[in-house]
Amino acid sequence: EVQLLQSGAEVKKPGESLRISCAGSGYRFTRYWIAWVRQMPGQGPEWMGSIDPSDSYTSYNPSFQGHVTMSIDKSISSAYLQWSSLKASDTAMYYCARLSVSGNSDLDYWGQGTLVTVSS
Amino acid sequence: DIHMTQSPSSLSASVGDRVTITCRASQNIDRHLNWYQQKPGKAPKLLIYAASNLHTGVPSRFSGSGSGTDFTLTISSLQPEDFATYYCQQSYRVPPLFGGGTKVETK
Repeated sequence: EVQLLQSGAEVKKPGESLRISCAGSGYRFTRYWIAWVRQMPGQGPEWMGSIDPSDSYTSYNPSFQGHVTMSIDKSISSAYLQWSSLKASDTAMYYCARLSVSGNSDLDYWGQGTLVTVSS
Repeated sequence: DIHMTQSPSSLSASVGDRVTITCRASQNIDRHLNWYQQKPGKAPKLLIYAASNLHTGVPSRFSGSGSGTDFTLTISSLQPEDFATYYCQQSYRVPPLFGGGTKVETK
């Protein structure tokens, strides 16, 4: 069974750093790109970017480029999303999801989400 | 960026109703259109990819159609578990943006 298990909820202060994780299981991790998706309260999903676990090649949505960093640890089938300096506007639910191999950039399996709250 | 506009933003329906949701792209995206279902407090789930292909395990009452700029998601007979928010997503060009969503509520 394909599963993406994300790390738990975080509460941080503005300016702090953070790394959240997404562990894949039940499939060959390096075969499928991982995408990160932001969903702010009451809003629709937003594509942040994606990463190829085989070589860590990344593709960022320009709206998020420079503010977040995606990375991979192949040895433990995990993907990461990190911030060096959080803002209150980063408060949101963050999902990792697997890009299918259909070639259509559809997200066929999703993690359960990590809620990030940034507040002074 | 290619922007996606969904209509309506919400609708009220009863169990057994036929429900249709539309999604319009700001430019031609061929058939690179996906549909997702999201229930409160849960992650989105893929329903349909490439405009009309049902994802594994999705009930056949869901169907998708369209190409170019205009697309439709149809639920042939609404079931209690189908009350949710539905999103379209274009996958023709990076970034693969989502539509604003259509909330299906009980009448």
